[in-house]
Amino acid sequence: AQSVTQLGSHVSVSEGALVLLRCNYSSSVPPYLFWYVQYPNQGLQLLLKYTSAATLVKGINGFEAEFKKSETSFHLTKPSAHMSDAAEYFCAVSLTGGTSYGKLTFGQGTILTVHP
Amino acid sequence: DSGVTQTPKHLITATGQRVTLRCSPRSGDLSVYWYQQSLDQGLQFLIHYYNGEERAKGNILERFSAQQFPDLHSELNLSSLELGDSALYFCASHREENSPLHFGNGTRLTVT
Repeated sequence: AQSVTQLGSHVSVSEGALVLLRCNYSSSVPPYLFWYVQYPNQGLQLLLKYTSAATLVKGINGFEAEFKKSETSFHLTKPSAHMSDAAEYFCAVSLTGGTSYGKLTFGQGTILTVHP
Repeated sequence: DSGVTQTPKHLITATGQRVTLRCSPRSGDLSVYWYQQSLDQGLQFLIHYYNGEERAKGNILERFSAQQFPDLHSELNLSSLELGDSALYFCASHREENSPLHFGNGTRLTVT
């Protein structure tokens, strides 16, 4: 079984400041890890994914995340926040292999607010 | 636009009723997944179909059922609705293992 914990249901930053959204996972086998973003009244959009290649993963819109096995973490960062980054962010895990790739276990989500 | 189409966008119905949610995956995608997003439970995987066959079940209630048709569209049937079934229901699709999931914009179900 796998699980995801996102630390902080709300994060507030100023425009231009560093964005750090925390995600810790638990998995009995090597996981696939994902970050998704959800804008109001829209579906989820994939920001980036880790699938056992490079541990530092670069995604869209300037976001990146680092897989740290020793810490079971996959935190999302962006050097400089933009107003358009305001949204809800979800960390998710799925198990490697078989047909489990799209069977995602999501964290509870973190709402990012960006202040001018 | 993800290419995944869900209808209707909004649905309001009464307790005890039955509804059908429809999903058209992206062209060529054989896999369809259904997810439920509620305030209480967050985002939860419900069920996965691949080319018409059920592949995996998650936290799907017995009152809920789904199917995928030969043209690859999928329907999620919810019956004997309860207030707690009010949620946003998402469909997602992808072509093959290790390819990204593409989510539709969801159907918002309100049970009154």
